[in-house]
Amino acid sequence: SQQGEEDPQALSIQEGENATMNCSYKTSINNLQWYRQNSGRGLVHLILIRSNEREKHSGRLRVTLDTSKKSSSLLITASRAADTASYFCATDAKNAGGTSYGKLTFGQGTILTVHP
Amino acid sequence: DSGVTQTPKHLITATGQRVTLRCSPRSGDLSVYWYQQSLDQGLQFLIQYYNGEERAKGNILERFSAQQFPDLHSELNLSSLELGDSALYFCASSVDEGYTEKLFFGSGTQLSVL
Repeated sequence: SQQGEEDPQALSIQEGENATMNCSYKTSINNLQWYRQNSGRGLVHLILIRSNEREKHSGRLRVTLDTSKKSSSLLITASRAADTASYFCATDAKNAGGTSYGKLTFGQGTILTVHP
Repeated sequence: DSGVTQTPKHLITATGQRVTLRCSPRSGDLSVYWYQQSLDQGLQFLIQYYNGEERAKGNILERFSAQQFPDLHSELNLSSLELGDSALYFCASSVDEGYTEKLFFGSGTQLSVL
């Protein structure tokens, strides 16, 4: 299995509801990032959380990180139809020297559908 | 608009052929990353260049090669193409080298091998 696995694979909610997506990973990390991809288009960076941070907010986004459980969650509050997209977590793994391998490893993503 | 330009947007070719995908990073970004996205494999990291030098390598096939030129644009060359190489190929760029933070993605090249 891959570093960075999201669940659920798909999530369907109504406008105004909150959406929570989870990500698990396997190795020590420098940071964890969340990206959004609209159908077949390029990924867009949403938020980054460093390994020494536990929670971060950006607008309607809230990210948590639990390094002891090697997991993260992304909460989108008061969702809108325009939030419909695939959401990916990506990890910057820490190498033996404690620095970056120089790449982000992406999970398989969660497909979020928000119904108007 | 991310500022990362990829050409062409679509490419249809036959098995055994060779193609070149091109990427221009955001102005000022020195790092370029190549990713392959397919339904069965997801987003796979291929290779990273920083200021003309290879910095990190992923599961890139020997039939694939890349380079970054002095003007910082990058090209991904795919040769002896197989049906399984059909995928969306993304280029991304960032300012930094050692810490991988906030990649800016292009809109991708959809490669179809028939």
